[in-house]
Amino acid sequence: DADVTQTPRNRITKTGKRIMLECSQTKGHDRMYWYRQDPGLGLRLIYYSFDVKDINKGEISDGYSVSRQAQAKFSLSLESAIPNQTALYFCATRGRDVEQFFGPGTRLTVL
Amino acid sequence: QKEVEQNSGPLSVPEGAIASLNCTYSDRGSQSFFWYRQYSGKSPELIMFIYSNGDKEDGRFTAQLNKASQYVSLLIRDSQPSDSATYLCAVNIGDTGRRALTFGSGTRLQVQP
Repeated sequence: DADVTQTPRNRITKTGKRIMLECSQTKGHDRMYWYRQDPGLGLRLIYYSFDVKDINKGEISDGYSVSRQAQAKFSLSLESAIPNQTALYFCATRGRDVEQFFGPGTRLTVL
Repeated sequence: QKEVEQNSGPLSVPEGAIASLNCTYSDRGSQSFFWYRQYSGKSPELIMFIYSNGDKEDGRFTAQLNKASQYVSLLIRDSQPSDSATYLCAVNIGDTGRRALTFGSGTRLQVQP
């Protein structure tokens, strides 16, 4: 089984809808991250969490919110989706070592 | 100025040649530097990381840091078609103990058979 899982893997939705992307990990890592990737722009940090009670905004947090329900779960919400939030979203985790491990990604399309 | 910058490429090299990838970073306090490889449609995977105290070699890959000029390079020796991918440079930026990785936009590498 994968160490970092994301659901759903693909989602098509309409402008104005509320969307939640979920991330779960079995690695026992404290740190979790949400990135979005757009063509030509690389990975941009949306939110990150060092533990359940420590959540921080990243480079592009506007229009997004997160919830760290447990050490193993970190959800990203789009309260009212808009077309320019169409992107590939990655969750990542990190333990005491420096390496970040990425989930398989969620491809989100907002029409 | 972006915090981590890379040439988007594509960088095209013949099979067996050395591929040289570079990135520049803006935060002089950065202590650790990462190279991730990403195949199309897949998630990034870590190839190498180095700290500010030295370069590193791992098989066909060498990561080098030039602190004075604030750039990091990745050399891939004996390039193979399977090395064709986008290479993302990442730097730990932020206050010590609360750092997060900042990624460059990636360089696409094409290794021609």
